[in-house]
Amino acid sequence: DGGITQSPKYLFRKEGQNVTLSCEQNLNHDAMYWYRQDPGQGLRLIYYSQIVNDFQKGDIAEGYSVSREKKESFPLTVTSAQKNPTAFYLCASSIMDRVEQPQHFGDGTRLSIL
Amino acid sequence: EDQVTQSPEALRLQEGESSSLNCSYTVSGLRGLFWYRQDPGKGPEFLFTLYSAGEEKEKERLKATLTKKESFLHITAPKPEDSATYLCAVGGNNRLAFGKGNQVVVIP
Repeated sequence: DGGITQSPKYLFRKEGQNVTLSCEQNLNHDAMYWYRQDPGQGLRLIYYSQIVNDFQKGDIAEGYSVSREKKESFPLTVTSAQKNPTAFYLCASSIMDRVEQPQHFGDGTRLSIL
Repeated sequence: EDQVTQSPEALRLQEGESSSLNCSYTVSGLRGLFWYRQDPGKGPEFLFTLYSAGEEKEKERLKATLTKKESFLHITAPKPEDSATYLCAVGGNNRLAFGKGNQVVVIP
């Protein structure tokens, strides 16, 4: 079955620690996205990638970093510079980076602070 | 700035009691409106795309409609398994903008 796999499902971060969230897709999609979901708020875009070896900052990129070395993979690192990292993180992909194309989501990673 | 407002925030329905969810939007040049279903602890599941006013899409007990200012998601004769949060997103000349969601609980 084609889809998007996010891991781990739950992640805990200590003070001063960087953590990396994994996102893998086998849909052969060019575009991939990272969103943050907080209670009572709409999804907010962190980073997006239109194609391999290219990525762009979204609305709330500070304290996060990404890489796109393979078409299938778009890992997100939450750095120690992100002072309020507790949230539900969602990875998505679409055939191409056009707003007419629906985005398809993984099942998320919930990040908490120890 | 594109804006998406969903109402009501929360809705409790008796099984079989039909209702509608509203997604009002302000966007420069609508290029697509999307509805998703999200279960607790899961990612959003894509339901529908609507591209132009007057367009309608249906899937089982769900029907989505679109006007120039808003979209409705009609739930006909809902069942408990329709309990979820329904998200609306709009794409215009900027990046996709999401609403906060309509949380629906269907009581047996």
